[in-house]
Amino acid sequence: DAKTTQPPSMDCAEGRAANLPCNHSTISGNEYVYWYRQIHSQGPQYIIHGLKNNETNEMASLIITEDRKSSTLILPHATLRDTAVYYCIAWATGTASKLTFGTGTRLQVTL
Amino acid sequence: GAVVSQHPSWVICKSGTSVKIECRSLDFQATTMFWYRQFPKQSLMLMATSNEGSKATYEQGVEKDKFLINHASLTLSTLTVTSAHPEDSSFYICSARAGTSGRTDTQYFGPGTRLTVL
Repeated sequence: DAKTTQPPSMDCAEGRAANLPCNHSTISGNEYVYWYRQIHSQGPQYIIHGLKNNETNEMASLIITEDRKSSTLILPHATLRDTAVYYCIAWATGTASKLTFGTGTRLQVTL
Repeated sequence: GAVVSQHPSWVICKSGTSVKIECRSLDFQATTMFWYRQFPKQSLMLMATSNEGSKATYEQGVEKDKFLINHASLTLSTLTVTSAHPEDSSFYICSARAGTSGRTDTQYFGPGTRLTVL
């Protein structure tokens, strides 16, 4: 699976949009971009995933560049409860695939 | 979204004893379940993958005789830490996957079990 690069930390003011970038320049055509987050002392929570089209759900939006070498997770109105470590993972889904976690981005939402 | 539960949420045991952790997919059938371990201030590390009815596949460096995994049904997997020692103290997280490809192939995680070995 392709390696992803994320900034180690980011801050965001409550109520503002949080834009979390991810680089995956070696992503393969069959690899999806997945985003999870982990709030302190909890298991990871699935947020969203996409292949090449932009995606939106009740939690977030995922913007994938046309060349698929990078993506941005957007939390439209961040709250204090969004403070967490966010993981961007390029994952070739299938029975032999393994979801592996990097170091992620620690997002701190402040008042 | 799909729900995965774990039990217990935390456990304290004496060195040398065995501890069993259960992982259940509550509203879907999981063809594959995964066990991860997370030490403080580190990321999740995959320990093993199990498919219902077959033996688990362990990652390099994980002792299969120490970490026994049973995936007896499509909704239940168990991890037994045998002869636990203080260095096994960690946060153990299970994950379940429903589909086998494409958009349905998302892994959902349990809340984790914190194991402390005295």
